[in-house]
Amino acid sequence: GDSVTQTEGLVTLTEGLPVMLNCTYQTIYSNPFLFWYVHYLNESPRLLLKSSTDNKRTEHQGFHATLHKSSSSFHLQKSSAQLSDSALYYCALSDRYGSSGNKLIFGIGTLLSVKP
Amino acid sequence: GGIITQTPKFLIGQEGQKLTLKCQQNFNHDTMYWYRQDSGKGLRLIYYSITENDLQKGDLSEGYDASREKKSSFSLTVTSAQKNEMAVFLCASTNTGNTEVFFGKGTRLTVV
Repeated sequence: GDSVTQTEGLVTLTEGLPVMLNCTYQTIYSNPFLFWYVHYLNESPRLLLKSSTDNKRTEHQGFHATLHKSSSSFHLQKSSAQLSDSALYYCALSDRYGSSGNKLIFGIGTLLSVKP
Repeated sequence: GGIITQTPKFLIGQEGQKLTLKCQQNFNHDTMYWYRQDSGKGLRLIYYSITENDLQKGDLSEGYDASREKKSSFSLTVTSAQKNEMAVFLCASTNTGNTEVFFGKGTRLTVV
């Protein structure tokens, strides 16, 4: 079946260092849609980035990711971590054309902790 | 903008009890979801619904029932609460063809 694999557990970084959270996926969809959602403590998860275009970089709020269908990857990156980036990050997958009724599958989540 | 309201925010139940969680959205979205959030296991899909009175099972549907009585509401029932049910349940919604999913703030379930 469809699945998403993320960098597991806790990633601890010092402020100012680069961020890279890994995401790979397996799917039967020929046109997958990949997402990164961010979940801050005491808030609702919200969309950070999305892409269905192969090899095109997408950016938002200083984060960027590029969907590579050849390697089934959608890694999240940021050049310089900030304290406010501390949160739980989920990679997610759906079918671009909604053939499964917008079924959205998430990875296990990566907790990013940025220290001064 | 819209909002997704989940009630209650905290739910304490006894082992074996039947428990119902409610979700309302005012986005006028077609599709609604119930996810369970466990540390180290991510967001696992329990049920989703693409329209009123529709139900689709997710990977974690065993032990749960769901009901989409109207477009704006989607309820989830834990049929018999177990101690390992302690988790946060998140409701979400989106429109068909709209790729952004919106979430509520969750219901935290504790079984004693």
